Amino acid sequence: AQSVTQPDIHITVSEGASLELRCNYSYGATPYLFWYVQSPGQGLQLLLKYFSGDTLVQGIKGFEAEFKRSQSSFNLRKPSVHWSDAAEYFCAVGAKGNTPLVFGKGTRLSVIA
Amino acid sequence: DADVTQTPRNRITKTGKRIMLECSQTKGHDRMYWYRQDPGLGLRLIYYSFDVKDINKGEISDGYSVSRQAQAKFSLSLESAIPNQTALYFCATSDFGTTGELFFGEGSRLTVL
Repeated sequence: AQSVTQPDIHITVSEGASLELRCNYSYGATPYLFWYVQSPGQGLQLLLKYFSGDTLVQGIKGFEAEFKRSQSSFNLRKPSVHWSDAAEYFCAVGAKGNTPLVFGKGTRLSVIA
Repeated sequence: DADVTQTPRNRITKTGKRIMLECSQTKGHDRMYWYRQDPGLGLRLIYYSFDVKDINKGEISDGYSVSRQAQAKFSLSLESAIPNQTALYFCATSDFGTTGELFFGEGSRLTVL
């Protein structure tokens, strides 16, 4: 069975600083990996996904993530954070055959001036 | 209009009452899901359905039931609500044969007193 670990419950960064949110997964075969963002009071929006090909994937809002099979990781990065990026971020793992996605517990991002 | 619509968006009820949360979608997807979100616990799968005649339990199905009335409609019922079912509930859809990416509704916030 798949599982996801997001080690950081809460991260605070300064506006303009770089950001990296960590995600580690457990799955025996090639996983399908996703990052979703939830702004306060909102539903979940897909930032980016990986299922094959180039291990560095680009997403919306200037985010990118890199799949590292050797480390079972799919960390989310952004070079310069904006105040509007304050939200909760969820990493999720799926598998071929469309088994339901399994989500991590989320990382809450706060942005300070 | 939203592709995945949940009703009601907010509901306050009392212990022991029967509650139904409804979800409808216009995306034409065959797969539908109910997840529950609790602070610090991320999203956990309650039930999912891969087509009208298919219903599957998720990680936390106890105390819940579902009905897939049509391809576009998937409802979640709490037969006798209890306070620890207070949570934010999300309906989601996905398309067969894709990567399993989920498309979410805006959520239904349920409070059980």
